[in-house]
Amino acid sequence: EAGVAQSPRYKIIEKRQSVAFWCNPISGHATLYWYQQILGQGPKLLIQFQNNGVVDDSQLPKDRFSAERLKGVDSTLKIQPAKLEDSAVYLCASSLDGQGVEKLFFGSGTQLSVL
Amino acid sequence: KNQVEQSPQSLIILEGKNCTLQCNYTVSPFSNLRWYKQDTGRGPVSLTIMTFSENTKSNGRYTATLDADTKQSSLHITASQLSDSASYICVVRNDYKLSFGAGTTVTVRA
Repeated sequence: EAGVAQSPRYKIIEKRQSVAFWCNPISGHATLYWYQQILGQGPKLLIQFQNNGVVDDSQLPKDRFSAERLKGVDSTLKIQPAKLEDSAVYLCASSLDGQGVEKLFFGSGTQLSVL
Repeated sequence: KNQVEQSPQSLIILEGKNCTLQCNYTVSPFSNLRWYKQDTGRGPVSLTIMTFSENTKSNGRYTATLDADTKQSSLHITASQLSDSASYICVVRNDYKLSFGAGTTVTVRA
């Protein structure tokens, strides 16, 4: 079965520029997550979708970050404008319905460097 | 304060040796605990899951334990291989949320 696809793999931008990341989850997975992983730390949840509805975006910096999951399938995460502290790996993950003993399947991530 | 604390932060072991990683949590109510392995430049991959009633579970050379009373879990790696070099992340679920530890970075040297 195909895994979670993310692009681009790497992105280098200057502060105050905008950037967008794309994620295509495993087919049939209703739940999609975006995580931010700063070097040396565990992933931090930015937003969780159930189909195309938002379940949790309490830690999303809404003044600069936005995300959408149109048609309940693939998703985009945008940062505008970027700050130096946004340098991190952005991981997308999916699961069947986000409940119980389900495991998350992660993509390889997008490594963002803000200069 | 993070609800999932892992130790040590990093460790270096020689190929063929064993090691044990610790995960202490305060998440409540507890639903389950997963250990993930994250290779450099890759996303985490699930190694094993522990539910409330399970004490020990093995997956090849990886053995996880859970003490739900003391809220502690461990991951033991037996006869380490170079491919075990990775970050190991403990993730605890309550009824509605996942809490991630910061991970333990394991370096296996020949």
